[in-house]
Amino acid sequence: TQLLEQSPQFLSIQEGENLTVYCNSSSVFSSLQWYRQEPGEGPVLLVTVVTGGEVKKLKRLTFQFGDARKDSSLHITAAQTGDTGLYLCAARHSGSARQLTFGSGTQLTVLP
Amino acid sequence: GAVVSQHPSRVICKSGTSVKIECRSLDFQATTMFWYRQFPKKSLMLMATSNEGSKATYEQGVEKDKFLINHASLTLSTLTVTSAHPEDSSFYICSASPGGIGDYGYTFGSGTRLTVV
Repeated sequence: TQLLEQSPQFLSIQEGENLTVYCNSSSVFSSLQWYRQEPGEGPVLLVTVVTGGEVKKLKRLTFQFGDARKDSSLHITAAQTGDTGLYLCAARHSGSARQLTFGSGTQLTVLP
Repeated sequence: GAVVSQHPSRVICKSGTSVKIECRSLDFQATTMFWYRQFPKKSLMLMATSNEGSKATYEQGVEKDKFLINHASLTLSTLTVTSAHPEDSSFYICSASPGGIGDYGYTFGSGTRLTVV
């Protein structure tokens, strides 16, 4: 069973639109990461959030970690075709070893 | 930054043969590496944790005799898919972290596309 639920699973939008991807769990995490993966490549780390309520910005991307450290969101402003890819959240559970558990993934397609 | 190299990037093998995939940390030492499997348009599923100098830890449902892991040095872990069958066809990815317990950074290899015919 997936411990991290991502929504939506698929998202297709026009260039210039905004979007939000959600990552939810019933478990508490010591840290949570967001990755972006392109076909045939490994995931690339976008951001790590550690503190409950934390907000981080990476150009047009805004990441938020829930106050209870059980959920997170990724918001993209004015999406571009280059944002197309598979977005994955991943987390380490409190007290666990260093394994990452990945969310179910959100496949984003930005149309020109 | 930390770099993880995975080789080969693509491999096609015949059913019943074995395939070895290498994962190298190029500019750091990694006592622990992780192996994942990914199906098309799906997320990464952790297969096993590779520990330098000791046995790998496999996730539930992953056959240790099928997916042999060797982590003989601080910079190299290998995954061997033994007696491969078409259902083993998948995208295999390794990752490693250069830091200690307090470091959250993970670097991923570029993956290996295995096709068993």
